[in-house]
Order: sequence, then C-alpha cells, then structure tokens
Amino acid sequence: QKEVEQDPGPLSVPEGAIVSLNCTYSNSAFQYFMWYRQYSRKGPELLMYTYSSGNKEDGRFTAQVDKSSKYISLFIRDSQPSDSATYLCAIPDSGGSNYKLTFGKGTLLTVNP
Amino acid sequence: EPEVTQTPSHQVTQMGQEVILRCVPISNHLYFYWYRQILGQKVEFLVSFYNNEISEKSEIFDDQFSVERPDGSNFTLKIRSTKLEDSAMYFCASRKQGATYEQYFGPGTRLTVT
Repeated sequence: QKEVEQDPGPLSVPEGAIVSLNCTYSNSAFQYFMWYRQYSRKGPELLMYTYSSGNKEDGRFTAQVDKSSKYISLFIRDSQPSDSATYLCAIPDSGGSNYKLTFGKGTLLTVNP
Repeated sequence: EPEVTQTPSHQVTQMGQEVILRCVPISNHLYFYWYRQILGQKVEFLVSFYNNEISEKSEIFDDQFSVERPDGSNFTLKIRSTKLEDSAMYFCASRKQGATYEQYFGPGTRLTVT
C-alpha cells in the first residue's frame, strides 16, 4: 500500500468557489501533515502544516486532519486565479531524525476568472 | 525573505557525462536535502545531509550520486555518469534546527540527459 495517496485531478473551478483537496495515508504513526503549493516549473512552497487531528486556519486556507480515517484535507475559500497551481500533501517521516518528506502526487487546480 | 537558490536552472548533458547541481540553502539552516521529480511523477526523496555527512539516503541514491558541502554556503549534488532516466527536476531543500518539519525548497534544476 502506497504511503500517501492523492487524487491528481485536474480540478477546475470558477473564481470564488470553495476548493477541497484531499489525501489519504497509510501509516498511523504519522503526526504532522504538510501542504505545499507548486507553480508550474517551480519548487514546492510550504503553505501550512497541522499536527495530529483537528483544523488549522490561515487566511483563506484551512487544513484538516482526521487521523481515525487517515484522511487530510485542504480547503481554499474564495478561490482566486492566483491559486491555480499543483497542491501537494506531504508527510514527514519521524522514524529517523531527518524528517524526509513523502509526497502525494499532487492535485492540479485551475481557478477560472 | 531568505530563500534557497539553485543553479543552473536548466542543465542539458549527454548520457555518461558528469553533472554537478548546486544549491545555496538558507543561511541559518543546518539540514539539507535533495529531492527529484520526474515529469508527471511524485516528488521523491534522494538524500539528507547534516553535520557534514549523509544522514539518510533512498534506494535511488546509488553509487552514481554524491553530495558535498564544499564550503559554508554551497550544497552540491553530483551525478557521476548520467543516464537517460536521470532526467528530472532536482530540488534542494533546507530546514533549521528545531523547526522539525518546515523544509524550504529551491526553484529546482531541470536536468535533461540526451
């Protein structure tokens, strides 16, 4: 079973829509959950991260973790064309001391004006 | 705002040639990483580096790969004899001590092996 699964989309929404992006993971020991945004041909940019279960809000972005179902979500409110990018979930491996990241495949989001 | 930089942005090389990809991590960061992303695939971990030595490497990081921190600012990835399948985006990342999960990525080097 793959460690982090993410629907690659693509997802196309009109400006102002609420966007829901999701990942599932297999290892119940994971504690931190990250979301990165990647514009075309650029490096991943850290958006936000959450610890364990619950919600975390940052402006128009809300990250949510449900550890019981091993499900993580990123919600974008009032989506803007500038939000068009690939969104990657990533989980740091806390088994060693290096916290290497395991990424989902990314969901390509297009917000249409 | 400090950022990770990488050079070159695009490198074209012939199969069998050696390439060196360069990174300048954020100045107060102590942990360094290389990841790669083959077109259309996931970002994959290659290697982590701390205290002037490799701390972890993936199965991808075989004897053809090496990393080095030749001075106080640069962090390099060398591929000794490139193969066609090494064509990918290579990302350098860094994090500071204590900010356990916050890795910051550079813009990447696109490596094309012909």
